[in-house]
Amino acid sequence: DVKVTQSSRYLVKRTGEKVFLECVQDMDHENMFWYRQDPGLGLRLIYFSYDVKMKEKGDIPEGYSVSREKKERFSLILESASTNQTSMYLCASSLVFWGALKYFGPGTRLTVT
Amino acid sequence: AQTVTQSQPEMSVQEAETVTLSCTYDTSESDYYLFWYKQPPSRQMILVIRQEAYKQQNATENRFSVNFQKAAKSFSLKISDSQLGDAAMYFCAYLGQTSGSRLTFGEGTQLTVNP
Repeated sequence: DVKVTQSSRYLVKRTGEKVFLECVQDMDHENMFWYRQDPGLGLRLIYFSYDVKMKEKGDIPEGYSVSREKKERFSLILESASTNQTSMYLCASSLVFWGALKYFGPGTRLTVT
Repeated sequence: AQTVTQSQPEMSVQEAETVTLSCTYDTSESDYYLFWYKQPPSRQMILVIRQEAYKQQNATENRFSVNFQKAAKSFSLKISDSQLGDAAMYFCAYLGQTSGSRLTFGEGTQLTVNP
């Protein structure tokens, strides 16, 4: 059974903290994605990676960075968390570069106070 | 840039009835995919159905079907014989030929199923 896992379901951090959100997939997928989900805005792409050590900015990369040192792991980093980064964060992975995203993690609901 | 719009933030349906969720999109590309995703309270996103733009035939997956109107750039989801387990947030999504796997999502429609 294929899986995308995220390190935390719920996370509470303080303003200014450095925050790491981890995503791991066990399907040997090349492509991994970080989305942010907000009410009334749907899902918006933050960053994606199509290979180890490769990354591309999505639609809303400001305030975020990513790391992909190993194929199975894709980390989203909030260098200095702010209250406007309070959101649901979803990770996804894909074998093919162009196609539907079928594999999502369960999401991390991050609250920055 | 492509946009996807879901104009119904909330919908409700009686169990066993049929409901239609609306989605419109804007694009200048000729080749693309459209999808409907379901996100139940567990938050696990599930791909419900997909439609290739070059196919005129509407996609169907069991109780789920779409009405794809390419000229009108409309892509609605019909759920027949609604079940309690269909209650979820539904997202329409677009994938263009130049997008890689960069999906553009709509705002979502929260579907409630009443017993």
